[in-house]
Amino acid sequence: DQQVKQNSPSLSVQEGRISILNCDYTNSMFDYFLWYKKYPAEGPTFLISISSIKDKNEDGRFTVFLNKSAKHLSLHIVPSQPGDSAVYFCAARETGNQFYFGTGTSLTVIP
Amino acid sequence: DAMVIQNPRYQVTQFGKPVTLSCSQTLNHNVMYWYQQKSSQAPKLLFHYYDKDFNNEADTPDNFQSRRPNTSFCFLDIRSPGLGDAAMYLCATSGLAHEQFFGPGTRLTVL
Repeated sequence: DQQVKQNSPSLSVQEGRISILNCDYTNSMFDYFLWYKKYPAEGPTFLISISSIKDKNEDGRFTVFLNKSAKHLSLHIVPSQPGDSAVYFCAARETGNQFYFGTGTSLTVIP
Repeated sequence: DAMVIQNPRYQVTQFGKPVTLSCSQTLNHNVMYWYQQKSSQAPKLLFHYYDKDFNNEADTPDNFQSRRPNTSFCFLDIRSPGLGDAAMYLCATSGLAHEQFFGPGTRLTVL
């Protein structure tokens, strides 16, 4: 059973606007949540993370929000740039070094 | 640059012919992971090592084996590849921090 879900397989956004990628999870024992970016023919690269004890973490154009009561997190990219076009994976860590991934959302930023 | 390296990037094998994929890291991380990723699916954890301590996922087929001769190297052995084993195989590491670092992946084709 999928413990981390990304229900939107794709998203298109105009350059300069905000991109919002969503992720839901079921396991309340996750202690860290992460976002990865993946270009074709490359491995995922770490983008930003948030501890389960926080509700927001910001790094430049990227902000991750965590709503523990709803078991929901989101990644905001603003302003979106064409180079942000990639597949974004949400992941969650369970104590014990296990990571669980969502199926990814393909973001296209239209110039 | 410290990194995770996977060889080969593309591997073609025949049905039933054993194949070995390799991963090396210069990050000196104590945890190494092997994931299988099929198109439009989440990366699926096959197993991971915490130092020499091997952790197998319950649903990883017996056909898949792993070796970690030292901190830097980890191998994935597929004893008798089937058509369903064609996928991208991702190696990742993690250290004291919570994020994972991924290699570029090996694309396995089974003929």
